[in-house]
Amino acid sequence: GNSVTQMEGPVTLSEEAFLTINCTYTATGYPSLFWYVQYPGEGLQLLLKATKADDKGSNKGFEATYRKETTSFHLEKGSVQVSDSAVYFCALMANSGTYKYIFGTGTRLKVLA
Amino acid sequence: DVKVTQSSRYLVKRTGEKVFLECVQDMDHENMFWYRQDPGLGLRLIYFSYDVKMKEKGDIPEGYSVSREKKERFSLILESASTNQTSMYLCASRNTRTSVNYGYTFGSGTRLTVV
Repeated sequence: GNSVTQMEGPVTLSEEAFLTINCTYTATGYPSLFWYVQYPGEGLQLLLKATKADDKGSNKGFEATYRKETTSFHLEKGSVQVSDSAVYFCALMANSGTYKYIFGTGTRLKVLA
Repeated sequence: DVKVTQSSRYLVKRTGEKVFLECVQDMDHENMFWYRQDPGLGLRLIYFSYDVKMKEKGDIPEGYSVSREKKERFSLILESASTNQTSMYLCASRNTRTSVNYGYTFGSGTRLTVV
């Protein structure tokens, strides 16, 4: 079946450090891939998405590239800020008409000033 | 902006009580979803609804039911609350008239504690 695997957290970085959060997936066909972010005390917000191989999603300085050959969708940011502290979820949606997400377990990021 | 509103941020209920979690969206979305979020387990789908009066079981429906009598409202019901239902509950909605690749809109969540 379909699944998403994220790196275990928490990830603790100093401000302005480079961020990578790994995400790999297993799916049949060609799923769409997403990153969601959950700030403390809030629901999830869509951060970025990619719908086909080699697409790059980007938003707020975050980027992720859909790599079909490695079944990966790693999240990166060149210089993190304290305000980026949150939980990040990788997710896939199979293009089979059900429109249900498969979520990873989430990675908590803590950025220190 | 689309808004998904969950009626309570925090709830404390006793074991055996019947519990209603309410979710309302204001943009005429067809699809609505209930997830629970637990540390180390991520988000797990409890129930979803493609449209009014339609419902389908998700991955962990046991101990829950849902109601969708009006398009804007999707209620999650815990028939007899148990301590293992202590969790964060997240409601989401989605517009099927836009591309499948648009994401869900989530509510802020209800943290339920069953004592």
